[in-house]
Amino acid sequence: DTEVTQTPKHLVMGMTNKKSLKCEQHMGHRAMYWYKQKAKKPPELMFVYSYEKLSINESVPSRFSPECPNSSLLNLHLHALQPEDSALYLCASSQGPGRSNGYTFGSGTRLTVV
Amino acid sequence: AQSVTQLGSHVSVSEGALVLLRCNYSSSVPPYLFWYVQYPNQGLQLLLKYTSAATLVKGINGFEAEFKKSETSFHLTKPSAHMSDAAEYFCAVSEPKGSGAGSYQLTFGKGTKLSVIP
Repeated sequence: DTEVTQTPKHLVMGMTNKKSLKCEQHMGHRAMYWYKQKAKKPPELMFVYSYEKLSINESVPSRFSPECPNSSLLNLHLHALQPEDSALYLCASSQGPGRSNGYTFGSGTRLTVV
Repeated sequence: AQSVTQLGSHVSVSEGALVLLRCNYSSSVPPYLFWYVQYPNQGLQLLLKYTSAATLVKGINGFEAEFKKSETSFHLTKPSAHMSDAAEYFCAVSEPKGSGAGSYQLTFGKGTKLSVIP
């Protein structure tokens, strides 16, 4: 298995809703990432987990809450989002924290906040 | 902080023509550089990576890139464009962030949209 699987592929939520994005990989990768990508822009890093511990939080608002239950799973819990949070959310993983490792990306969750 | 600059937000080539997408890096230490491709409404796929083993790096789908330290460049090329190459291409650099294990991040250039004209 050489894939990163993200669910759901599309999500529409109201500003008062609570939802979660899920990401799963079975490649034995020990680093996992959440990126946010707005239209016609490059991905921007949100969080990094290394060996199931949060190692980087790019000053992301608390309405986004990451969770790494085990080495294969990464969740992003969403609560009280704003319309400007609408974007493509990408999950990625890499073999480890090393600089030389390429990242494997999932196909993303297209989030729309109404 | 390390960074990459992609020259040209949009490049158009004819089918069968040479593809050249430009990327320059800024780094005070040997960089680790990557090229990714993104098709509409999809995630990113790794094309190739430079990790100092060889200056000419071959990737998937016939793409290659050459690392030139003197020019601080890592341009992506393909001898003959195919319609299926139309996509967004991102150059990226892996750089330290914070401290401790896991403290690296992938930082992307602004991207170059490649159009292939039949």
